Amino acid sequence: LAKTTQPISMDSYEGQEVNITCSHNNIATNDYITWYQQFPSQGPRFIIQGYKTKVTNEVASLFIPADRKSSTLSLPRVSLSDTAVYYCLVGDPISSGSARQLTFGSGTQLTVLP
Amino acid sequence: GAVVSQHPSRVICKSGTSVKIECRSLDFQATTMFWYRQFPKQSLMLMATSNEGSKATYEQGVEKDKFLINHASLTLSTLTVTSAHPEDSSFYICSARDYGGSGTGELFFGEGSRLTVL
Repeated sequence: LAKTTQPISMDSYEGQEVNITCSHNNIATNDYITWYQQFPSQGPRFIIQGYKTKVTNEVASLFIPADRKSSTLSLPRVSLSDTAVYYCLVGDPISSGSARQLTFGSGTQLTVLP
Repeated sequence: GAVVSQHPSRVICKSGTSVKIECRSLDFQATTMFWYRQFPKQSLMLMATSNEGSKATYEQGVEKDKFLINHASLTLSTLTVTSAHPEDSSFYICSARDYGGSGTGELFFGEGSRLTVL
């Protein structure tokens, strides 16, 4: 199973840009990288997904270097409501039932301070 | 985006009773759904993969007879915790993939169900 490694926790202040890096050294050719956000007592919420280079949507950007062994989730100008746990998952989204997509790492607890 | 809904969101039961949790894909069909368990301050742990019309696939260490999974239709999977005990108290989360239409196969998660066994 693809293993991911993230920092356990990060602190930031409101208005700052936050970058959370995930290591996935054994990523496979067909694997995509997906980031989720989870608030307490809620299910994870999809943030962004990418395969290589850079992906941007209305809430975040995802940077993936050429070797794809790591990825960085970038949250611009965070607010207090961005305090949550962020998970990166690596796997093949096309393969139905693929266990590689389904293993959650420890996640990163982001705390945004006023 | 695709929506996955769970019911109930919270349930409290006495030790020894059975509890059923439903997971529905509201606007797409899901031949495969996934059940997770999450203890406080911990990550999600995959329990089983629910397959429509066939038996579920359980992860190592998860008791099949304890956690009964039924996936009778393309939009509904149920998890029944049988003879629940306090150690089964946890946050149970389901998810499903949306492959239809513009779906890219990404996972969508339900709101979760908090089970407390007294």
